[in-house]
Amino acid sequence: SQTIHQWPATLVQPVGSPLSLECTVEGTSNPNLYWYRQAAGRGLQLLFYSVGIGQISSEVPQNLSASRPQDRQFILSSKKLLLSDSGFYLCAWSARVTDTQYFGPGTRLTVL
Amino acid sequence: QKEVEQDPGPLSVPEGAIVSLNCTYSNSAFQYFMWYRQYSRKGPELLMYTYSSGNKEDGRFTAQVDKSSKYISLFIRDSQPSDSATYLCAMRALGGATNKLIFGTGTLLAVQP
Repeated sequence: SQTIHQWPATLVQPVGSPLSLECTVEGTSNPNLYWYRQAAGRGLQLLFYSVGIGQISSEVPQNLSASRPQDRQFILSSKKLLLSDSGFYLCAWSARVTDTQYFGPGTRLTVL
Repeated sequence: QKEVEQDPGPLSVPEGAIVSLNCTYSNSAFQYFMWYRQYSRKGPELLMYTYSSGNKEDGRFTAQVDKSSKYISLFIRDSQPSDSATYLCAMRALGGATNKLIFGTGTLLAVQP
């Protein structure tokens, strides 16, 4: 069966510091991968998606970037965090572009 | 106007009650409809997945889609305290390169023992 991992689970970072969140999927090959941010009362906002290694599409221009160095690894990064980057970050995968998405456990990021 | 509207609640019901959760949407191109359950501080978990109009039942859960009214519902029978969570509706159009899901903001449900 497929599993999706995210780490760290929680993170507290000062404004202006860098960020690296990691997501890995097991049990499937060539998944589509997604990064979402969930803010209180605002639902899930799609940030990035990837259909293959090195292929990243951005949905919302912002202070974040994503990379996919390996087939089942997806990384969310920032060079300098802003207060507004605080939130719950979720990684998701789907088997094909038309399949539904399955979410990881999330990373709660607090920027102080 | 948001593409997907969902009453945020909170909705509080006694154990054993029938719960009705709803979403409305504006984009007539939406063809796939999903319900996710999210426990506090956890990732969303897929509950139901339906295509186009009609009903789908899975145990105590029934998903209903009315495309003519642009309205979807999730019914929970014999609700349990373990059903207490936030319920998110999600939907997407047929085709497209991203499989982009549009989510409602979620309804917080509390089932009182």
